[in-house]
Parts: sequence; C-alpha cells; structure tokens
Amino acid sequence: NAGVTQTPKFQVLKTGQSMTLQCAQDMNHEYMSWYRQDPGMGLRLIHYSVGAGITDQGEVPNGYNVSRSTTEDFPLRLLSAAPSQTSVYFCASSYSTGRVNYYRYEQFFGPGTRLTVL
Amino acid sequence: KNQVEQSPQSLIILEGKNCTLQCNYTVSPFSNLRWYKQDTGRGPVSLTIMTFSENTKSNGRYTATLDADTKQSSLHITASQLSDSASYICVVSAAYNQAGTALIFGKGTTLSVSS
Repeated sequence: NAGVTQTPKFQVLKTGQSMTLQCAQDMNHEYMSWYRQDPGMGLRLIHYSVGAGITDQGEVPNGYNVSRSTTEDFPLRLLSAAPSQTSVYFCASSYSTGRVNYYRYEQFFGPGTRLTVL
Repeated sequence: KNQVEQSPQSLIILEGKNCTLQCNYTVSPFSNLRWYKQDTGRGPVSLTIMTFSENTKSNGRYTATLDADTKQSSLHITASQLSDSASYICVVSAAYNQAGTALIFGKGTTLSVSS
C-alpha cells in the first residue's frame, strides 16, 4: 500500500493563480481531510469528506474548494491564490471504529505539499 | 472553548537523557487523546492513542499517560536518541467525532536531541 500520497511536494504560485493539490489514498478509508500547518500554529482543518460525494467545511475553508468523486481521491483547489495561503498542506485519510461516545479513529497523513504564494 | 495546550514549546536535551512533554486540554466531551511525532518535512505519525479509561500506553521508548480528571497528558521519552528530534503533537478528539472532524490539535513541542 502506498498509503496517502500528495502531489506536488513543492509549489510556487503568483497571487491570483489557481491550482489543485492532489491527494490519493489506497486504504479504502471513508474519511479524508485537508489541513494546513503554519509556523507556531497547530494543524487547522480546511475541508473534510465523510465519503464519496460528501464534503463539508472545516475551521478555515475560505479560498479553498474540494470535491470527492471517488473514495480514493480528494483534491484541494485554490481558486485565486493569496500570500496568506502560503503554508504546508497535509491530506489525511481515516477510519473509525466503536460506537457513540467510544469512537476510536486511525488517521494517516500524507507527506505534505509546501506552497508559497508570491 | 475546546483547546489543547502543550508545554514546553521547545526542548533541547542530550542524547541518552529522558524527557517529559506535557499536554493540557479543555475538550468536552472527551473521547480520546493521541500523540503524534512529526519529523521535519514529513506528515505526523501516530505514537499512541488513549481513551478516557486508559491512563498509560507505551510504544517502545515512548510512554504516554493520561489523567482524565485533571485533563492532563504527558509523553515520556526514555533514553533519547538523535532520531527523536522532531515535533510532538497532542491531539484530542471530542466524543461525537466520527470522521476526525472534531480533532483539536496542540501547537506541538519541538524536541532537539544533541550528541
């Protein structure tokens, strides 16, 4: 298994450009998420998906779009890049077991994409 | 407000020494607490996970403890190695969470092990 893969590893954009960060997982996990990690801050959730065709916003969704047409893929689109979106982006896939109030999840992170917006 | 606070922010120790990292949380309702290790330039990797009924969990030289009454957790690293140099992140999950959508991340403790 490749686990969670992300491409590209590095990207430099100019303000106003758009691009898509790719994320794929081969573990057949239902749940996938996108996070951004900035210096001095914890990981922050951008968008997440609980299954193919279902997505929702996280803590910092503005300026980003997602779609989930298949279980395996969960791309993150930057509509019009801004310097404030300079960050390291992590995709994660996860599954949970258990029952209400006793959920135990396992989350696996990709290697990250380092994005710089000039 | 759900929060996870970690201390210290950074730590430098000599190879072979032990160290303890702290995590205090105010997440409610609490489900579980996980410690991740994040090497520079890599994604986080899980070290341990504990539910409210577990008060200690070991993974090799890493031992995590949890006191659900005081809402505190610690990660103890024994006989540190150079490869332990990394950021250690405490993550608390709320009880209603299924999809990892209600994970509260700490900012991490950066550990540097020197020879």
